[in-house]
Amino acid sequence: NAGVTQTPKFRVLKTGQSMTLLCAQDMNHEYMYWYRQDPGMGLRLIHYSVGEGTTAKGEVPDGYNVSRLKKQNFLLGLESAAPSQTSVYFCASANTPDTQYFGPGTRLTVL
Amino acid sequence: KQEVTQIPAALSVPEGENLVLNCSFTDSAIYNLQWFRQDPGKGLTSLLLIQSSQREQTSGRLNASLDKSSGRSTLYIAASQPGDSATYLCAVRPDTGTASKLTFGTGTRLQVTL
Repeated sequence: NAGVTQTPKFRVLKTGQSMTLLCAQDMNHEYMYWYRQDPGMGLRLIHYSVGEGTTAKGEVPDGYNVSRLKKQNFLLGLESAAPSQTSVYFCASANTPDTQYFGPGTRLTVL
Repeated sequence: KQEVTQIPAALSVPEGENLVLNCSFTDSAIYNLQWFRQDPGKGLTSLLLIQSSQREQTSGRLNASLDKSSGRSTLYIAASQPGDSATYLCAVRPDTGTASKLTFGTGTRLQVTL
């Protein structure tokens, strides 16, 4: 039972490049979330999904897109990366709104 | 807009001490409050969840209290151990909406020394 996995673990991008972060969960959870964590700011919600085929905006959605084509996967895309998107990205999944299981994170640097 | 503050930002204590971490929030209209632990380079793990109708929750050496009307929660750690060294975050869930959009505090980094 792998829980919540994130790919990749580390990535360095140049400004303007695009990339997709993959989150996968094997717990059959309905809810999935993408957060970013920056020093001194705590975790902030980017986008979330309440089920396969659904997505919704969180607190800081600008510059990101998401897709939930399969229940077990939640993809976060950066179409044109900016230095302000340098952060650690965490994915979480939940079967009930209060029991979020977090992945290990992806450390992204945009130069 | 809900704001969650944790003081202190960092704390160092010798092994065996009892300690208290603080969390305050500006909007008392919450459904519940959670305390999480984050180890370096890792994700978050939920420690305790307190519903808005509860005053406290206990798990082993951890005790969390909630004073909803004053917008405060504390996490009490008894007989601290080096293995307790981590960052502790609190998060509140609003009492509206169903997708559990949590608002997190910035965390307290705890170091327990030998």
